[in-house]
Amino acid sequence: NAGVTQTPKFQVLKTGQSMTLQCAQDMNHNSMYWYRQDPGMGLRLIYYSASEGTTDKGEVPNGYNVSRLNKREFSLRLESAAPSQTSVYFCASSEISRNTEAFFGQGTRLTVV
Amino acid sequence: DAKTTQPNSMESNEEEPVHLPCNHSTISGTDYIHWYRQLPSQGPEYVIHGLTSNVNNRMASLAIAEDRKSSTLILHRATLRDAAVYYCILKFSGNTPLVFGKGTRLSVIA
Repeated sequence: NAGVTQTPKFQVLKTGQSMTLQCAQDMNHNSMYWYRQDPGMGLRLIYYSASEGTTDKGEVPNGYNVSRLNKREFSLRLESAAPSQTSVYFCASSEISRNTEAFFGQGTRLTVV
Repeated sequence: DAKTTQPNSMESNEEEPVHLPCNHSTISGTDYIHWYRQLPSQGPEYVIHGLTSNVNNRMASLAIAEDRKSSTLILHRATLRDAAVYYCILKFSGNTPLVFGKGTRLSVIA
């Protein structure tokens, strides 16, 4: 059981380049999330999708777009990367409930130079 | 969102119990208390959650105060592998995301 799979694991971009971070889950969860984590900080929510067909902004959405491609997949796109977007990005999924756990991927370490 | 307050860091000796506190004085009656931990260079992982009663699982125990304004995560015998950042999070609605604070960094000394 793979859980939450993120690709790529590492990426270096030049300022102004674009890229898409991919996330897929195999647990049939309705909700999916994208977080970023800067050094020494907690996770901050970028965007989330409570259910297929819906997306909502989180705490730090500027500079990002998302697509909930289907129930399994939730991608995060950087249209024009900036050094301030250098971070570790985590995808997560869960059921729609206060009483269930969320599962996280292993992260994508992105460096923008 | 109801806020939680945790110490920035704690230290424990290996094979001793660890009590990680969390204050959540503005908790509402329907908020669940969730605990996650993040090992170095990994994504967060679920530890335990509860509503009113104390909870036990294979990883830890969760003790919830009678007024629910605080809780304590208990690791019964700390190992070096338990060194991580522990996050206490309140979840008040089914379709709202987890909101992470800075958590408590637990160091375990051999």
